[in-house]
Amino acid sequence: NAGVTQTPKFRILKIGQSMTLQCAQDMNHNYMYWYRQDPGMGLKLIYYSVGAGITDKGEVPNGYNVSRSTTEDFPLRLELAAPSQTSVYFCASRSGNTGELFFGEGSRLTVL
Amino acid sequence: QQQVKQSPQSLIVQKGGISIINCAYENTAFDYFPWYQQFPGKGPALLIAIRPDVSEKKEGRFTISFNKSAKQFSLHIMDSQPGDSATYFCAASVGSGNTGKLIFGQGTTLQVKP
Repeated sequence: NAGVTQTPKFRILKIGQSMTLQCAQDMNHNYMYWYRQDPGMGLKLIYYSVGAGITDKGEVPNGYNVSRSTTEDFPLRLELAAPSQTSVYFCASRSGNTGELFFGEGSRLTVL
Repeated sequence: QQQVKQSPQSLIVQKGGISIINCAYENTAFDYFPWYQQFPGKGPALLIAIRPDVSEKKEGRFTISFNKSAKQFSLHIMDSQPGDSATYFCAASVGSGNTGKLIFGQGTTLQVKP
């Protein structure tokens, strides 16, 4: 029962570097989401997907890209990392039958 | 209009007391209001949720009170325990059966003192 798995758990990037945060779910959920969490700001939606091949922007998509080639995987790409992208990133999935989101344990990213 | 405003930012309660966290929204199209609980180093997990056709929902020690006319909802934790110490997020969405995009409040850090 892995649920939603995120890798890496921690990463330090230099300004201008790029990287991909991986997210995989084994629950056969159609809906997947990427949120970022900053202190005192709650969780902000970056991108979401309603199924393989379909993605759309959330509240704060600038500086990020996503793809959804399979039901299981929903990677988040950071291009040209900036200090403002220092945050904890959470991936989540949902079946569509209920409103419940299942979250991964997060990826803490620091951009220096 | 898409915001969900949550208060207080932090809360300290004695063991056995009642913890109350409040949220307000503006978008009247919201029709699903969940509360998530997050422990340090973990992702948020669904605690309890309500839809606007009822004014209250109770699950064990946790109760959501919903006031549609005031566009407010709150979480009450009865007989608060040290194990309830966590960060709580309210959220709202339009049509949980559709895209289910949740708009989260800013979060409340609850500390329950023994």
